[in-house]
Amino acid sequence: KQEVTQIPAALSVPEGENLVLNCSFTDSAIYNLQWFRQDPGKGLTSLLLIQSSQREQTSGRLNASLDKSSGRSTLYIAASQPGDSATYLCAVEETSGSRLTFGEGTQLTVNP
Amino acid sequence: DADVTQTPRNRITKTGKRIMLECSQTKGHDRMYWYRQDPGLGLRLIYYSFDVKDINKGEISDGYSVSRQAQAKFSLSLESAIPNQTALYFCATSGWQGNTGELFFGEGSRLTVL
Repeated sequence: KQEVTQIPAALSVPEGENLVLNCSFTDSAIYNLQWFRQDPGKGLTSLLLIQSSQREQTSGRLNASLDKSSGRSTLYIAASQPGDSATYLCAVEETSGSRLTFGEGTQLTVNP
Repeated sequence: DADVTQTPRNRITKTGKRIMLECSQTKGHDRMYWYRQDPGLGLRLIYYSFDVKDINKGEISDGYSVSRQAQAKFSLSLESAIPNQTALYFCATSGWQGNTGELFFGEGSRLTVL
């Protein structure tokens, strides 16, 4: 059974800092990996999707990397802003293409 | 208007009542999903559907049923609600054009069972 772990569970940083969020998964046979953002009481917003054949994806200040062999992904946020404060979740889609397994998320607080 | 709309957004009900949560989408996606989110447990898949005639159980389908009334509509029912079904429920869709497999979520339906 696929398990997804996100460390740390919570992170607090000053504005302007570059930061890395980590995601690890136990079964490397994945189809893709997605990073999401969730604001309190809201739904999830897709940030980046990395196909299993890709190594990274970039969108603005966000960069996500994928190392399937080691079962790891990182989300790099450059020049963090208070508006980046949210919970960030990663999810992997198994090769069967039918299920996403989610991590529990990292709650990020960016202090002004 | 949101691409994925869930109704109701909030509902308080009593044990034993029948509850239906509805989801509609304007993205033209074939795949639709129902998840629940609980503190400490993350998001767990309840049911998913790849098209109108395809319904599949997720990891926690007991106590739930679904109906795919049309490509754009996917409803979740709790036949006899119980307190441990208190959770935040999300509907999601995905399609296979362009950026394959990307999930789009609704805003969530918060259900409280007393």
